[in-house]
Amino acid sequence: GDSVTQMEGPVTLSEEAFLTINCTYTATGYPSLFWYVQYPGEGLQLLLKATKADDKGSNKGFEATYRKETTSFHLEKGSVQVSDSAVYFCAPGGSSSGSARQLTFGSGTQLTVLP
Amino acid sequence: DTGVSQDPRHKITKRGQNVTFRCDPISEHNRLYWYRQTLGQGPEFLTYFQNEAQLEKSRLLSDRFSAERPKGSFSTLEIQRTEQGDSAMYLCASSLAAEKGGYTFGSGTRLTVV
Repeated sequence: GDSVTQMEGPVTLSEEAFLTINCTYTATGYPSLFWYVQYPGEGLQLLLKATKADDKGSNKGFEATYRKETTSFHLEKGSVQVSDSAVYFCAPGGSSSGSARQLTFGSGTQLTVLP
Repeated sequence: DTGVSQDPRHKITKRGQNVTFRCDPISEHNRLYWYRQTLGQGPEFLTYFQNEAQLEKSRLLSDRFSAERPKGSFSTLEIQRTEQGDSAMYLCASSLAAEKGGYTFGSGTRLTVV
């Protein structure tokens, strides 16, 4: 089955700092890749996705590029805000063909942004 | 549509009791998933349905767990003879069969077994 290794947290940054959360995966075939975010007291929300190699997913200032050669999908943001404080999960799964393949989640990275 | 709904939000039960959770997916989504999340960990896959058919079950889903989706709409997850190790957040998600866009999750049911 698929597996994912995610940068361990917690990560603490000052507001406007640059953020990188590393994610590497192992999977058969060509999974789609996702980042989910879980704000305190809330459910998981899809943050961004990429469905094929070299695709860049982006949302709310966050970006991640599907790197097939390094099997990575690192999350970046140029200038974090206090409101970005949350737990971030990397997840390979699904496939570009739409076949059944459940999402496999990493252990999550807790991000705290200080004012 | 208000998204994926789960009921109850919280459940406290005594060890050995049975519990049942309900999930109402987004109405046009034909796939429904159950995950379990323990503190400090990512969600772990339990099972999924396409319409009313249960197509895959994780090895995490012991014989004490059963899930149903009788009419291809809402789903229930039952845990019999609960154990303290069952304490977790149980998450439901739904998606379209051919979707590349990931899942929509509910807010979860937090189970505490005392």
